[in-house]
Amino acid sequence: DIQMTQSPSSLSASVGDRVTITCRASQDIIKYLAWFQQKPGKPPKSLIYGANILQTGVPSRFGGSGSVTEFNLTISSLQPDDFASYYCQQYSAYPLTFGPGTKVDV
Amino acid sequence: QVQLVESGGGVVQPGRSLRLSCAASGFPFSSYGIHWVRQAPGKGLEWVAFISYDGSRVHYADSVKGRFTISRDNSRNTVDFQMNNLRVADTAVYFCAKDPPGGGYAGDYWGQGTLVTVSS
Repeated sequence: DIQMTQSPSSLSASVGDRVTITCRASQDIIKYLAWFQQKPGKPPKSLIYGANILQTGVPSRFGGSGSVTEFNLTISSLQPDDFASYYCQQYSAYPLTFGPGTKVDV
Repeated sequence: QVQLVESGGGVVQPGRSLRLSCAASGFPFSSYGIHWVRQAPGKGLEWVAFISYDGSRVHYADSVKGRFTISRDNSRNTVDFQMNNLRVADTAVYFCAKDPPGGGYAGDYWGQGTLVTVSS
């Protein structure tokens, strides 16, 4: 199975900050990487797929980059609605696997 | 609009069975695969199963293989998830999620989830 790691596991930030979350895969997943946002008590929301393709309706302050084994999710200017947990997911091979998550709080 | 609604969760004793259902609407159901993803209380996301648009392909996480079975009925726009020999470690919110166009990640749309509690 492909193992996914994320760093940091949590971070504290302020409105307006630039935030970067890193996701690493245990083997080459090309660009088969998706990012999700989740708020407490809610289902995950798809943000990015194909490592850097923004899901329809997702604000442009969210951006994805990377390939092979290292990927980043960047929020260019953190907004109050962005305080949440973020997960990466590889879909290069079954079983699909998620990273452990990154919690972004104040 | 796309809507996925899970049902069937509840409290069950270890070793017993439970059947979850995912009812879909707002998209051509028979053209898309469906995933199940679970989240234990206070923990991260764990993908558990997938069924292709026509039911010909299924995949399972090792943690549920041999115990859980995913199936679909395209005439009723539903996906069922039969969970047998449940363990305490299966306690989680279970989400169904739609496979995106072209296939791949789980998923572009998600249901609200249904809670399964396995406890004696």
